[in-house]
Amino acid sequence: GDSVTQMEGPVTLSEEAFLTINCTYTATGYPSLFWYVQYPGEGLQLLLKATKADDKGSNKGFEATYRKETTSFHLEKGSVQVSDSAVYFCALSDPFLSGTYKYIFGTGTRLKVLA
Amino acid sequence: DSGVTQTPKHLITATGQRVTLRCSPRSGDLSVYWYQQSLDQGLQFLIQYYNGEERAKGNILERFSAQQFPDLHSELNLSSLELGDSALYFCASSVGAGDNEKLFFGSGTQLSVL
Repeated sequence: GDSVTQMEGPVTLSEEAFLTINCTYTATGYPSLFWYVQYPGEGLQLLLKATKADDKGSNKGFEATYRKETTSFHLEKGSVQVSDSAVYFCALSDPFLSGTYKYIFGTGTRLKVLA
Repeated sequence: DSGVTQTPKHLITATGQRVTLRCSPRSGDLSVYWYQQSLDQGLQFLIQYYNGEERAKGNILERFSAQQFPDLHSELNLSSLELGDSALYFCASSVGAGDNEKLFFGSGTQLSVL
């Protein structure tokens, strides 16, 4: 079945460091891919999305490219800030998952940025 | 502000009790999703309703039930509570049935079972 695998956390970086959080997926059809972010004490909110192969989603300096050949959607940011400290969830939505729940989340990766 | 409202924000109760969590989706959204978030199991999908009908079911215990009302708000009922039910319960909504759509999350209900 469909699944999303994220790198284990926590990831601890110094301010202005480069960030990569790995995400790979398996899917039956042609899913859309998402990154959600959860700041402390809050619900998840959409960070970026990509709907087809080679699409690049971007928002707030974060980027991720939908790589069909490697079934990956890695999250990157060139220079992290303390305010980026949060839990990041990779997710997919596969409309070909007939009769079942179509939205699959990874386990989340906690990012801690130190000043 | 996502537009999804969850009440109460915090709930403290005892084992064996029953509680009801409430969710009001964004205006115009037809789908409501319930998730359980615990430290050891991440974000677990419980159930989805679309326009009043159950659409998908996840790892929801038989002690738990949910419904979506004609005004599209939803309630999650948790009964015979156990210590292990302590978690953060999120509601999310989307415009349609969830295919390739963005989900909007509420800020959650923190349930503590003592």
